[in-house]
Amino acid sequence: EAGVAQSPRYKIIEKRQSVAFWCNPISGHATLYWYQQILGQGPKLLIQFQNNGVVDDSQLPKDRFSAERLKGVDSTLKIQPAKLEDSAVYLCASRNPGRQLTGELFFGEGSRLTVL
Amino acid sequence: ELKVEQNPLFLSMQEGKNYTIYCNYSTTSDRLYWYRQDPGKSLESLFVLLSNGAVKQEGRLMASLDTKARLSTLHITAAVHDLSATYFCAGRQETSGSRLTFGEGTQLTVNP
Repeated sequence: EAGVAQSPRYKIIEKRQSVAFWCNPISGHATLYWYQQILGQGPKLLIQFQNNGVVDDSQLPKDRFSAERLKGVDSTLKIQPAKLEDSAVYLCASRNPGRQLTGELFFGEGSRLTVL
Repeated sequence: ELKVEQNPLFLSMQEGKNYTIYCNYSTTSDRLYWYRQDPGKSLESLFVLLSNGAVKQEGRLMASLDTKARLSTLHITAAVHDLSATYFCAGRQETSGSRLTFGEGTQLTVNP
């Protein structure tokens, strides 16, 4: 089965510019997550969707970050305006409801953002 | 709120040696995960530990869980260069839904 797809893989922008990242989860995975991974740190959850509804966005900096999952499949994460500290890898992950017992997440390769 | 701490954060070891990575977590976690990440790559699931005393093994890696001590270990036996990567543990707090909280990662380098 195809994995979690993300694009773009790399993006360089200047501070105060905007950027958007796209994620296509594994087919049939109702739960989708966006994580932020700063260099040398573990991933930190930004937002979790169940189908097209937000389950948890408590750690999303809502003044500059937004995310949507309009049809319960693909998702977009946007940053506007970007700050230097937003430089990180943005990881998308999805989960199969049928694997409730393990709760295992499957990750994409990430989108690396550099803010200059 | 669940906090996860790993140690060591950096580990350099010789091929053929054994070592253990430790993962402590702060509050009740109903399951514990181990992931591997190669540079520039995604996180790959290694183990899911579901209950106290759970032990899982895959090749040269063995993971265990002690929920009373709030401790998981990842033991490496007779390390080989291919095991060089960053290893993350992650816990899941029941009250936080299915959100995983990750440790900072242990960067493992296996030298010939």
